[in-house]
Amino acid sequence: QVQLVQSGAEVKKPGSSVKVSCKASGGTFSSYTISWVRQAPGQGLEWMGRIIPILGIANYAQKFQGRVTITADKSTSTAYMELSSLRSEDTAVYYCARADLSGSSPYFDYWGQGTLVTVSS
Amino acid sequence: QSVLTQPPSVSGAPGQRVTISCTGSSSNIGAGYDVHWYQQLPGTAPKLLIYGNSNRPSGVPDRFSGSKSGTSASLAITGLQAEDEADYYCQSYDSSLSGSSVFGGGTKLTVL
Repeated sequence: QVQLVQSGAEVKKPGSSVKVSCKASGGTFSSYTISWVRQAPGQGLEWMGRIIPILGIANYAQKFQGRVTITADKSTSTAYMELSSLRSEDTAVYYCARADLSGSSPYFDYWGQGTLVTVSS
Repeated sequence: QSVLTQPPSVSGAPGQRVTISCTGSSSNIGAGYDVHWYQQLPGTAPKLLIYGNSNRPSGVPDRFSGSKSGTSASLAITGLQAEDEADYYCQSYDSSLSGSSVFGGGTKLTVL
């Protein structure tokens, strides 16, 4: 049974950074990619970027370039998403999601439970 | 403004059929990239509903079906049930955005 378990809710000040973790179990971590998708209150889904754990290579949506860093620790099957220079508009639920390595248009078959990040002074 | 365009809302009575459209462009759906669909119930994570344009994961009822043509895709739900009331999102890949996955803005389905 594949599971992605994320770290708990965070409250951050504007200008600070947040790091959210996503621990995978029940599958072969290095055989998949892990993406991060966020959802602001009452809004839709927004893809932020992904990492290929077996290669340690990440790519990011243009909107988040320079502000987001996605990493992975193969030894613990855990992916991380760090977002810096936080502003109120970054208040959202952040999800990690798994996709197959192959295929030109990957789809997300398993999702984490979501982590609420609140940015407030 | 989402890269993929969906209607904000659709509705239907129990037992009816509804469709949700997803319109893209020549750099995503029109370029031949597959479209996938997700269902999101209130307060929960999205769930994969359709992958590869028209394939259902194990456990998804055959009341849900997907199709794709040109720069658009559609999700059809037949025999509408109260538990189908949720938000639905389409997703694909866009070659013009540094290799990004892209989502539609989402469609709220109301079962009357």
